[in-house]
Amino acid sequence: NAGVMQNPRHLVRRRGQEARLRCSPVKGHSHVYWYRQLPEEGLKFMVYLQKENIIDESGMPKERFSAEFPKEGPSILRIQQVVRGDSAAYFCASSFTSLSAGTEAFFGQGTRLTVV
Amino acid sequence: DAKTTQPPSMDCAEGRAANLPCNHSTISGNEYVYWYRQIHSQGPQYIIHGLKNNETNEMASLIITEDRKSSTLILPHATLRDTAVYYCIVRGDGATNKLIFGTGTLLAVQP
Repeated sequence: NAGVMQNPRHLVRRRGQEARLRCSPVKGHSHVYWYRQLPEEGLKFMVYLQKENIIDESGMPKERFSAEFPKEGPSILRIQQVVRGDSAAYFCASSFTSLSAGTEAFFGQGTRLTVV
Repeated sequence: DAKTTQPPSMDCAEGRAANLPCNHSTISGNEYVYWYRQIHSQGPQYIIHGLKNNETNEMASLIITEDRKSSTLILPHATLRDTAVYYCIVRGDGATNKLIFGTGTLLAVQP
């Protein structure tokens, strides 16, 4: 009965490197959401994906950030050329259907990215 | 997108019921009320959600007023492990159906 699995749990990158964060949703869930939580701040929505499609990326920074949820495999949040300001906890959530149907979304334990 | 208002912090004695209020006066008829909590820096944990009727599960009860403008999350017997930030969220923002987190209520359960 695996929940949302995120890996790695901790990731250290030097400035300018790429960070790839993985999220495996609950089995059978086809909706994935990514959130970012900066130190001492709240959870901010980044992007909502449904298998192979980006539904809402209104919270994604315009540059360096991208997300995908392929037909097979986990969802990936990719950050290119990381900067110190990207240091944060990144959380992924998944749901079986869209939330308008009144279903719940479950969160993973997050990936803590530290840029040095 | 209905906004929610929660007190920034509350205290509760261990073993007593914790009643966390939430105002959502602009909620529309088809919007659900969700409650999540975040313990320290862990991932948010789903607690309960409802539309019109009161709901209860193994974790908590959700009481929604008849006019749906406010709700209360009840933890019947709070323990120290219930210390967390509790978020009341009205699922909204049109067709994209994302959860928008506010600042929540920091519940401190005291021994």
